[in-house]
Amino acid sequence: NAGVTQTPKFRILKIGQSMTLQCTQDMNHNYMYWYRQDPGMGLKLIYYSVGAGITDKGEVPNGYNVSRSTTEDFPLRLELAAPSQTSVYFCASSHPGGGHPTDTQYFGPGTRLTVL
Amino acid sequence: AQKITQTQPGMFVQEKEAVTLDCTYDTSDQSYGLFWYKQPSSGEMIFLIYQGSYDEQNATEGRYSLNFQKARKSANLVISASQLGDSAMYFCAMTEALTTGNQFYFGTGTSLTVIP
Repeated sequence: NAGVTQTPKFRILKIGQSMTLQCTQDMNHNYMYWYRQDPGMGLKLIYYSVGAGITDKGEVPNGYNVSRSTTEDFPLRLELAAPSQTSVYFCASSHPGGGHPTDTQYFGPGTRLTVL
Repeated sequence: AQKITQTQPGMFVQEKEAVTLDCTYDTSDQSYGLFWYKQPSSGEMIFLIYQGSYDEQNATEGRYSLNFQKARKSANLVISASQLGDSAMYFCAMTEALTTGNQFYFGTGTSLTVIP
């Protein structure tokens, strides 16, 4: 299993541009998540999904959109990029039948995004 | 209120010594999970150890143990026999059973440096 994969690894955007961060997992996990990590800080939840076709906002959703058309994929869309969105973005997934406190989240390697 | 508090921004430990990284949490749920993740300089998030709120014994995973004091709402990570490769950021996280989607709340992290 590849686990959770993210592309691209690095990206530089100009203010106002748009892009999609890709996330794929091959562990058949129902639950998937997008986090951002600002320098020297912990992770903050942007959006999450409990299954295909179901998404919900996390703590910091403004400026982002997500979709979940398949179990495997959970892309994050940035519209009208702003310097405040410069961050490292992590995708994660957790065990099928999640919702229990035992469900460890497994993380992708991250995407480092800079908006200039 | 912060769900997870890590009060040690940086810690130093001598190689082969033990070190304790502090974590306190805030929840009114009876059922919750506590996690520790390691983030080396390469950036990935590595799961280390899990403790469930109903677990009576402290969790252990190799050189890692979690000192769980429920009444104090603390979940400190103890690393025994520190190694140079333990130098990294360490994040404490919590999930609550009543929270939709098994959302994780992360602390701000502790940077651990192991000195040879």
